[in-house]
Amino acid sequence: AQRVTQPEKLLSVFKGAPVELKCNYSYSGSPELFWYVQYSRQRLQLLLRHISRESIKGFTADLNKGETSFHLKKPFAQEEDSAMYYCALRTGGGNKLTFGTGTQLKVEL
Amino acid sequence: NAGVMQNPRHLVRRRGQEARLRCSPMKGHSHVYWYRQLPEEGLKFMVYLQKENIIDESGMPKERFSAEFPKEGPSILRIQQVVRGDSAAYFCASNREQADTQYFGPGTRLTVL
Repeated sequence: AQRVTQPEKLLSVFKGAPVELKCNYSYSGSPELFWYVQYSRQRLQLLLRHISRESIKGFTADLNKGETSFHLKKPFAQEEDSAMYYCALRTGGGNKLTFGTGTQLKVEL
Repeated sequence: NAGVMQNPRHLVRRRGQEARLRCSPMKGHSHVYWYRQLPEEGLKFMVYLQKENIIDESGMPKERFSAEFPKEGPSILRIQQVVRGDSAAYFCASNREQADTQYFGPGTRLTVL
């Protein structure tokens, strides 16, 4: 069965510092990976998906099939990046998303 | 486009009562997904529906839970005879096509007393 692991419940960084939110997955086939973000009092929204290989709000994520990882990175954290981040996996041909438990990112001044 | 709408946002029920959660997908979206988030856990898939059809209910508890998405009106997640363990946030998502991005609603927070 597929699984997504986000090892850190809380990540605290200073403004301007680099950020890396870890995500590992287990799935034997071709996965589709996503990062969703939930800002305070807002709904869950898509941040980026590995297929599009785009950078959103300065965040990037590279799918590493060898390490089964999809870590989210940003070179310089901003205060407005403080939010809950969820990594999610969609398996080939399926519809449902499998989510990690989320990482709360706190950017301090 | 108002986005995915869910109501109520908060629902309090006593043990043994029924809970009805509603989800109106985004305009033009015919695929609806329900997820449940228990405290300290990630969102877990429950059921995937298209208009008038349940496509995948592999994440639904076998008893007391049911879902529908009628031809007209919102999708309904129904929980009969609620127990304390049903207390959670229930999220609905929708998309236009199966492979598209899923857009989430604000969730319904169910509290069972």
